[in-house]
Amino acid sequence: DIQMTQSPSSLSASVGDRVTITCQASQGIINYLNWYQQKPGKAPKLLIFDASNLQTGVPSRFSGSGSGTDFTFTISSLQPEDIATYYCQQYDTLPLTFGGGTKVEI
Amino acid sequence: EVRLLESGGGLVRPGGSLRLSCAASAFTFSTSAMHWVRQAPGKGLEWVSMISGSSGSFYYADSVQGRFTISRDNAKSTLYLQMNSLRAEDTAVYYCAKDRDVLSAFDIWGQGTMVTVSS
Repeated sequence: DIQMTQSPSSLSASVGDRVTITCQASQGIINYLNWYQQKPGKAPKLLIFDASNLQTGVPSRFSGSGSGTDFTFTISSLQPEDIATYYCQQYDTLPLTFGGGTKVEI
Repeated sequence: EVRLLESGGGLVRPGGSLRLSCAASAFTFSTSAMHWVRQAPGKGLEWVSMISGSSGSFYYADSVQGRFTISRDNAKSTLYLQMNSLRAEDTAVYYCAKDRDVLSAFDIWGQGTMVTVSS
């Protein structure tokens, strides 16, 4: 199975800060990488697909980059409503696997 | 509004069975690959199973292989997960999710249904 390692596991930032989360795959996955946001008690929501493509309706302060084994997710200016846990997910190889999550707090 | 609505969760004893349902609306269900993803209490996300639009292809996580069966009824726009030989470690919120393409991103999620396996 492809292991997805996210870091940090949690972070605290201020409103307006730039927030960066990294995700490393245990083997190359080209750009087959997605990012999700999950708020407490809610289902996950797709933010970024294919490593860098913004899902329809998602604010442009969210972005993603990377290829191969190393990927980055960025919130350019953190907003109060961005408090959530963020997950990366690979779809290069079955089983589909997720990173362990990054909890973002203010 | 595109929507997925799960049902069928509950409390079941170890070794028991449960069938989850996921009713889809407002998109072309019959051509959409669908998944089940679960989340144990306080833990991260775990992919469970996937079925193609035609039901011609299906895949399972090793942790549920041989115990869980995914199926769908395209006439009813409904996805199912038959869960047998349940274990305590199957306790989780189970989400159904629509695939954006085929084995890609989960672009639509249901609200989840809780399954608790306990004696």
